[in-house]
Amino acid sequence: QKEVEQNSGPLSVPEGAIASLNCTYSDRVSQSFFWYRQYSGKSPELIMSIYSNGDKEDGRFTAQLNKASQYVSLLIRDSQPSDSATYLCAVNMVLGGNQFYFGTGTSLTVIP
Amino acid sequence: DARVTQTPRDKVTEMGQEVTMRCQPILGHNTVFWYRQTMMQGLELLAYFRNRAPLDDSGMPKDRFSAEMPDATLATLKIQPSEPRDSAVYFCASAGPPDTQYFGPGTRLTVL
Repeated sequence: QKEVEQNSGPLSVPEGAIASLNCTYSDRVSQSFFWYRQYSGKSPELIMSIYSNGDKEDGRFTAQLNKASQYVSLLIRDSQPSDSATYLCAVNMVLGGNQFYFGTGTSLTVIP
Repeated sequence: DARVTQTPRDKVTEMGQEVTMRCQPILGHNTVFWYRQTMMQGLELLAYFRNRAPLDDSGMPKDRFSAEMPDATLATLKIQPSEPRDSAVYFCASAGPPDTQYFGPGTRLTVL
């Protein structure tokens, strides 16, 4: 079992819809969780970080964390074609010696 | 605008040659990471440093790869000798407290 798992997709949503991206992780004592966006041929770009259970909102993006279920998600409201990219989930795992693990990414396409 | 810089951006070399990639972390960041990204494997952590000391290089092939941080403003990743299977995009990322990573633009390496 991988430390961080994401559905690879591809996920397609129409413009204006809500895109939901999901991530599960294996380390129960993980403390820090991140979502990165990566456009084709570019480097990963930080979108959100979340440290506590619950929701964290930033503009059209909402990160949701449920430590009991070892689950973190990213919702993108009013999806735009410019949101089309690969979304990477990252977890800082204490048991791994404060090592960062990235998921393999979910490819999102927003259809105009 | 603080950002991580990497050089070179593109490198084409022949099998057996030495390759050196350089990274300048964001000023004030005390943790530097080296990643490799391929379509097949996704983003793999090769090594990371905190306060210039190597903390983990378990992801790196020891016989041909080496990573150093000669000072706080420079991290290097060397491959000697290079092989075609080393062809990938190599990213450097830096982080300051708490632990959010910011990525450089990457070095695209092609080994013929």
